Amino acid sequence: AQKVTQAQTEISVVEKEDVTLDCVYETRDTTYYLFWYKQPPSGELVFLIRRNSFDEQNEISGRYSWNFQKSTSSFNFTITASQVVDSAVYFCALSAMTTDSWGKLQFGAGTQVVVTP
Amino acid sequence: DAMVIQNPRYQVTQFGKPVTLSCSQTLNHNVMYWYQQKSSQAPKLLFHYYDKDFNNEADTPDNFQSRRPNTSFCFLDIRSPGLGDAAMYLCATSRRDTLNTEAFFGQGTRLTVV
Repeated sequence: AQKVTQAQTEISVVEKEDVTLDCVYETRDTTYYLFWYKQPPSGELVFLIRRNSFDEQNEISGRYSWNFQKSTSSFNFTITASQVVDSAVYFCALSAMTTDSWGKLQFGAGTQVVVTP
Repeated sequence: DAMVIQNPRYQVTQFGKPVTLSCSQTLNHNVMYWYQQKSSQAPKLLFHYYDKDFNNEADTPDNFQSRRPNTSFCFLDIRSPGLGDAAMYLCATSRRDTLNTEAFFGQGTRLTVV
């Protein structure tokens, strides 16, 4: 069974502060994908990043960066220099890397990020 | 340009009155999904189509059905909506036969049951 835990319900920051979102996952699959999605008030889920289970290299993409540690089953996400437009709910998600599981996402409960000017 | 389009954005239906939500895609993806997201909760997969093959999740109520007449369109039918079915319904697509596996979501349909 798969499980994704986002312990932080809500994070409030002032603009330009960094925000780090925690994600811990459980899976019996040996290969899997991890994702971060953003859901603004409009409701659409916007894909942000994807990581393969066999690639633990951490990267930076613009103001986004992520820290994947397989040893602790964590996939944390950081927004650098936050902006008001970053205010949204952020979901961490897990998908097994099998042909019948692609796109079948197990979501965490989400973390509401509030960025104030 | 929107690639996964859901209509309508907002739907109000009466208790027990059948309702259909629609989803179309321009990505030519072979998999289409329906997720249900209740207020302040994570999206939950209801079912998906891989081409014409329908795959129901084990805990999806019988009240929910789906149709996929062609590659581009997929419908969610709720036969007898109850108050507990009020939620955001999200359609998503992905391609199964490549490694590019992120799912693309539509803007959702927010269903209200009165």
